Amino acid sequence: AQSVTQPDIHITVSEGASLELRCNYSYGATPYLFWYVQSPGQGLQLLLKYFSGDTLVQGIKGFEAEFKRSQSSFNLRKPSVHWSDAAEYFCAVANDYKLSFGAGTTVTVRA
Amino acid sequence: DSGVTQTPKHLITATGQRVTLRCSPRSGDLSVYWYQQSLDQGLQFLIQYYNGEERAKGNILERFSAQQFPDLHSELNLSSLELGDSALYFCASSVADRTTDTQYFGPGTRLTVL
Repeated sequence: AQSVTQPDIHITVSEGASLELRCNYSYGATPYLFWYVQSPGQGLQLLLKYFSGDTLVQGIKGFEAEFKRSQSSFNLRKPSVHWSDAAEYFCAVANDYKLSFGAGTTVTVRA
Repeated sequence: DSGVTQTPKHLITATGQRVTLRCSPRSGDLSVYWYQQSLDQGLQFLIQYYNGEERAKGNILERFSAQQFPDLHSELNLSSLELGDSALYFCASSVADRTTDTQYFGPGTRLTVL
């Protein structure tokens, strides 16, 4: 089964700065990849997904992600972070009927 | 708001007890998934139902069971509870059972076992 790894447990970024969260997937056929965000005390909200086609995917809240097969990566980016982006971010891969999640990256935004 | 509802929001109970968590999927969705989120295990898939039938099982303990009813709502039953069962339990739904179907998550039920 495919899996994902998020190498960064915690990232601190200044408001207005750019953000990049890393996600690496295990080798296999074209993976179905997702990024979800979990705000404190909230459920998981889908930011974006990649199935095929254009490797640069646009999502909600100004996020984008780029699928790079050569690097087995699906990194999430945002050009300018807002204080409301402080949350935990999960990368996930679809395995048959289920999602397999990474350990998550907690983003702290400082003023 | 994803359209997926879960009740109760919080549940505090004692070891050895049994609880039932309830999930109502988004209107029109036929699949329901249950996930457990804990500090040591992260987010783990438990079980999936599609149109009333069990479709896939993950790391679900034998003490746990689930079902999906004709109106498509689902219940997760946890019995003989242990301290280690304390976690956030999420329900998600999707329109069908394809791998590419987006799963929409509810707000979760936080279970505390004392």
